Amino acid sequence: GEKVEQHQSTLSVREGDSAVINCTYTDTASSYFPWYKQEAGKSLHFVIDIRSNVDRKQSQRLTVLLDKKAKRFSLHITATQPEDSAIYFCAASMGNYAQGLTFGLGTRVSVFP
Amino acid sequence: GGIITQTPKFLIGQEGQKLTLKCQQNFNHDTMYWYRQDSGKGLRLIYYSITENDLQKGDLSEGYDASREKKSSFSLTVTSAQKNEMAVFLCASSMNSYEQYFGPGTRLTVL
Repeated sequence: GEKVEQHQSTLSVREGDSAVINCTYTDTASSYFPWYKQEAGKSLHFVIDIRSNVDRKQSQRLTVLLDKKAKRFSLHITATQPEDSAIYFCAASMGNYAQGLTFGLGTRVSVFP
Repeated sequence: GGIITQTPKFLIGQEGQKLTLKCQQNFNHDTMYWYRQDSGKGLRLIYYSITENDLQKGDLSEGYDASREKKSSFSLTVTSAQKNEMAVFLCASSMNSYEQYFGPGTRLTVL
């Protein structure tokens, strides 16, 4: 089955700087790549996604890049703020939305002043 | 908007005990999911259901049963709790799309 690897377990960034989280996947059939955020003591909530028919998607300070050839996707957070501190999970879906998501292990992002 | 409710919030069980976790959603979503979150291991899919009375196994289904009694509810049963087991069980739902909405979780501790 699909495997998603999230390459950084932790990431510290100075407030105002950019943060980049990288993920790779194994199944070429995967076509949907969402990112979820989990703040301390809370559940996951959706932040942004990208489908395989595009290679870039931006939403305010968040940008997702997808490189299908390398089976790699990344989340870029610009102008980081303290409220960006959280665990970020990348995920992939093997094509059929109903089959659920395969998650990476998460990256703990800490934004310091 | 809608909400996903999970009960109980905390569940303490004994080794070998059968334990049931419940999930309710009022989004009117068709598909519901159960994930297990272990510290340092991310989320793993246990079961999912695309409609009432449907059940599909995920990668981690061994040791669990599930039941989709009606569209709005999805239960998960740990058939025999393992000693020292600790995990958070997350329920999610989606409406014919990839985006999933997650509940607050049930934290399981087995003594």
